Amino acid sequence: DAGITQSPRHKVTETGTPVTLRCHQTENHRYMYWYRQDPGHGLRLIHYSYGVKDTDKGEVSDGYSVSRSKTEDFLLTLESATSSQTSVYFCAISDPTDPRANTEAFFGQGTRLTVV
Amino acid sequence: QKEVEQNSGPLSVPEGAIASLNCTYSDRGSQSFFWYRQYSGKSPELIMSIYSNGDKEDGRFTAQLNKASQYVSLLIRDSQPSDSATYLCAVNPIYQKVTFGIGTKLQVIP
Repeated sequence: DAGITQSPRHKVTETGTPVTLRCHQTENHRYMYWYRQDPGHGLRLIHYSYGVKDTDKGEVSDGYSVSRSKTEDFLLTLESATSSQTSVYFCAISDPTDPRANTEAFFGQGTRLTVV
Repeated sequence: QKEVEQNSGPLSVPEGAIASLNCTYSDRGSQSFFWYRQYSGKSPELIMSIYSNGDKEDGRFTAQLNKASQYVSLLIRDSQPSDSATYLCAVNPIYQKVTFGIGTKLQVIP
């Protein structure tokens, strides 16, 4: 299995509180991603990173911020959690040899977040 | 119109039969296509990637791509109960930003 660890694996938090999810990789892959997965919507990209301090938005980035200060760590922060952010969050990594192409992504185990 | 369309299923097939999973996409510029398998409560894992028109076979799995019709399919031969999972079609319309379909749930009946 690719060396990707998400923490925490489960979290319950209250509306309005900030929450940070961590993704740690040991593969030295350049690209890291945060997705959320919801019934009826599938996997949707929140943010991704293509290098240290280099990040970009995905299709559902509102209410989320990210940071990548080291190659191995990619943090996802919910600035003020809402019930609509209750979801399963997956981190993924990839390492394309050609930035114009795409290679397979390897996924972490997921974090189940419940906002009450 | 969603960028990647899949029927959510469930698709039920008897053990030993061929399961056919289908996916259409909207962006004609897409270059890379993937099939992921996701067991309930687990993370997605890649089972096939395809980049050019035609068929690509790997064991019991065959991926088919038709860019003119914007259509990708996955065939699973000799389906086994262990193949029961949700199969996610993924496409990259813009490099490094992969878009997933909602997934098709496959049930293989013993």
